[in-house]
Amino acid sequence: NAGVTQTPKFRVLKTGQSMTLLCAQDMNHEYMYWYRQDPGMGLRLIHYSVGEGTTAKGEVPDGYNVSRLKKQNFLLGLESAAPSQTSVYFCATQRAGSNQPQHFGDGTRLSIL
Amino acid sequence: GIQVEQSPPDLILQEGANSTLRCNFSDSVNNLQWFHQNPWGQLINLFYIPSGTKQNGRLSATTVATERYSLLYISSSQTTDSGVYFCAVAQSNFGNEKLTFGTGTRLTIIP
Repeated sequence: NAGVTQTPKFRVLKTGQSMTLLCAQDMNHEYMYWYRQDPGMGLRLIHYSVGEGTTAKGEVPDGYNVSRLKKQNFLLGLESAAPSQTSVYFCATQRAGSNQPQHFGDGTRLSIL
Repeated sequence: GIQVEQSPPDLILQEGANSTLRCNFSDSVNNLQWFHQNPWGQLINLFYIPSGTKQNGRLSATTVATERYSLLYISSSQTTDSGVYFCAVAQSNFGNEKLTFGTGTRLTIIP
């Protein structure tokens, strides 16, 4: 998945700790998305951004915050991690306009103990 | 919101066999993508196919938008085809294309 880089790839946290996941893209895409994937399920949208300085809530936004200070970066923050947030997190990007597919990073596997 | 159903949920095949995976969706869509999630968890883009037919090697896909379904065909299966196949759809054509994913078809190819 060249072009969309997620950092870190793996992380273990204790309940109550905070952390930030970084998504960086070099494709100059306008739209960026954060999804989570739980066992046996498809991906669900957490937050998304249609441009620098703008963010919006998705399907499952509670417990997360995001920021898009630069066009190429989309940050996902957990202020006080909970075991229910144990999941695999995927970032995606998309070029603005019609008929554009989303491109996904390799995911971040996060475990909250 | 839009519902996406994939069938079958699980499929076990011998190497060399052909398979057809189905994706039904409950409303009109402007975006439909098929993904392969490999055993390492990576999501691989297979097709962007809101309508029509596309082919890429042993894989092809057809979406009949008016009847709200899409099919993914895999011919001459190989063990590297194993993994989970997801269909995802979106209803907006200009950004905010929040993809709604199905629960996937788990394909296992036996040597």
